[in-house]
Amino acid sequence: AQKITQTQPGMFVQEKEAVTLDCTYDTSDQSYGLFWYKQPSSGEMIFLIYQGSYDEQNATEGRYSLNFQKARKSANLVISASQLGDSAMYFCAMRPGGRNSGYALNFGKGTSLLVTP
Amino acid sequence: GAVVSQHPSRVICKSGTSVKIECRSLDFQATTMFWYRQFPKQSLMLMATSNEGSKATYEQGVEKDKFLINHASLTLSTLTVTSAHPEDSSFYICSAREGGEGLSGGYTFGSGTRLTVV
Repeated sequence: AQKITQTQPGMFVQEKEAVTLDCTYDTSDQSYGLFWYKQPSSGEMIFLIYQGSYDEQNATEGRYSLNFQKARKSANLVISASQLGDSAMYFCAMRPGGRNSGYALNFGKGTSLLVTP
Repeated sequence: GAVVSQHPSRVICKSGTSVKIECRSLDFQATTMFWYRQFPKQSLMLMATSNEGSKATYEQGVEKDKFLINHASLTLSTLTVTSAHPEDSSFYICSAREGGEGLSGGYTFGSGTRLTVV
């Protein structure tokens, strides 16, 4: 069974600073996908970034980058130049199997990020 | 991009009544729909997976007769909470998957339904 671990229940960061949210995973699959989502207080799940297990380069999407260390089974999210609007819950998730697999995402417990002025 | 419309966004119902939540994929065909439940300050827990035209596959511990899932078409899936009780109060959110990868890794989430049973 796959397991996603987010060890930071809460994080603080000052506006304009960078912050790293940790995520480690456990799987015996060779092919899998890793996701990060942002969930503001409204509850919607906002997709941030995706990394496939066979992708050689770390994924980047604007201010978001994923520090993928396959041997260590970690997929940390880096948010650069934090903004007040980044305050939210952040979830790391994993999809077992390859790109076309129809499996559900398995979520970590989440990290609550608060950006301060 | 792909959009999933989920309704209602909030619902308050009396104990013992049933509530239906709809998720509709607006611009793509959702071959698979996932239903999650989220308690306050907790993670999303998968309740069931449904494929169009087939019976849903429920996760261990989820009562099939209480949480009825119908995925009758490629654009609509419904979750009915039958004989709701206060402990069923939670945030329910659907996620639709079309074939392939797409820009968001192939998963599109609805905006969620906050159910309160009084």
